[in-house]
Amino acid sequence: GQQLNQSPQSMFIQEGEDVSMNCTSSSIFNTWLWYKQDPGEGPVLLIALYKAGELTSNGRLTAQFGITRKDSFLNISASIPSDVGIYFCAGQRRETSGSRLTFGEGTQLTVNP
Amino acid sequence: SAVISQKPSRDICQRGTSLTIQCQVDSQVTMMFWYRQQPGQSLTLIATANQGSEATYESGFVIDKFPISRPNLTFSTLTVSNMSPEDSSIYLCSVEDRTVGGYTFGSGTRLTVV
Repeated sequence: GQQLNQSPQSMFIQEGEDVSMNCTSSSIFNTWLWYKQDPGEGPVLLIALYKAGELTSNGRLTAQFGITRKDSFLNISASIPSDVGIYFCAGQRRETSGSRLTFGEGTQLTVNP
Repeated sequence: SAVISQKPSRDICQRGTSLTIQCQVDSQVTMMFWYRQQPGQSLTLIATANQGSEATYESGFVIDKFPISRPNLTFSTLTVSNMSPEDSSIYLCSVEDRTVGGYTFGSGTRLTVV
């Protein structure tokens, strides 16, 4: 099946630092999504990307849809303690059988005050 | 965005028993999705539930183990049958949410099988 390779697996940073994480795939996706999951909660959508080459920002978050449609990155600027959590990329493909999301393995982010 | 209520939020169950998880959405949706998240792992799609038809299961998941109901456009249930400790996971339902341009998730059901 399709796989998304997400890196890094974990990051330990100081408050105020910038963070970058990315996902790559052997398959093309129609949409790239980035989610954050806090303990005991479901994933929450941060940014959605719909077109190859698209660069989108949401506050301190910036994400890009790779030009090949096989990769995406997420940057977090000036990190704060509440950025702690697990970040997932997800690629969406629309198939005849319906729409389907494939998730990356996740990046565990720890921010030291 | 769509609001999803999932019940129960957690449960501890004996092996060999079954648990039914409910998912209620505050708006009508065509498809509802059920995911499993094993401890420390990512999310894996179990099945897609369409109202009025049988659910579509992903490779590695079967209806006998994970029967799904979809009686209307706002509600679905997932049953984890004949549970074993390997079924201990978080189970999440999700819907495609056009108001946010992506998919919205419930808060999940944390299942522990002993």
